[in-house]
Amino acid sequence: DAGVTQSPTHLIKTRGQQVTLRCSPKSGHDTVSWYQQALGQGPQFIFQYYEEEERQRGNFPDRFSGHQFPNYSSELNVNALLLGDSALYLCASSLEGKQFFGPGTRLTVL
Amino acid sequence: KNQVEQSPQSLIILEGKNCTLQCNYTVSPFSNLRWYKQDTGRGPVSLTIMTFSENTKSNGRYTATLDADTKQSSLHITASQLSDSASYICVVSAFGEGNTPLVFGKGTRLSVIA
Repeated sequence: DAGVTQSPTHLIKTRGQQVTLRCSPKSGHDTVSWYQQALGQGPQFIFQYYEEEERQRGNFPDRFSGHQFPNYSSELNVNALLLGDSALYLCASSLEGKQFFGPGTRLTVL
Repeated sequence: KNQVEQSPQSLIILEGKNCTLQCNYTVSPFSNLRWYKQDTGRGPVSLTIMTFSENTKSNGRYTATLDADTKQSSLHITASQLSDSASYICVVSAFGEGNTPLVFGKGTRLSVIA
């Protein structure tokens, strides 16, 4: 049983570009949450998807958007990248309150 | 405002020694508290999870305690090993959790040296 997987593992972009990060949840998990973790900080909640809809959202601008597919996998899209968007982006899948994290995608914005 | 504060921010100990990490929270209504271990550049891995009614929970050399009255938790690591070097993050969830987002502390960076 594979755990939560994320792709790509690393990504380098320049300011103003757009990026898409992908997450495949643990088998059977129907809920996916995305977090941003800046260096030396704890993860910050971006949003959560359940049944293909955004169910909750943290304090992030509209440049951050997402999607969940019928197979429960999810994408995080960030438009008009800023230098401050450089971070580790974590995906977590959950079922009945048990949450598991993926390895993360390291995004560097130059 | 729901917050989780951890101390110390960083800690260096000798291999074989014990240490205790602290977590204070203001999340309400409280549902559960989790301790995660996060290696650099990796996703967090769950160590323990405690609900309101639990005072202590162990996972090998890791023992977590919870005082729901004072809203404090600690993580005690016994006989530390070099592989314990990581960030330890305290995470609190509000009641009605199901899939409620979690409130994360900034973590304590532990370095175990030989």
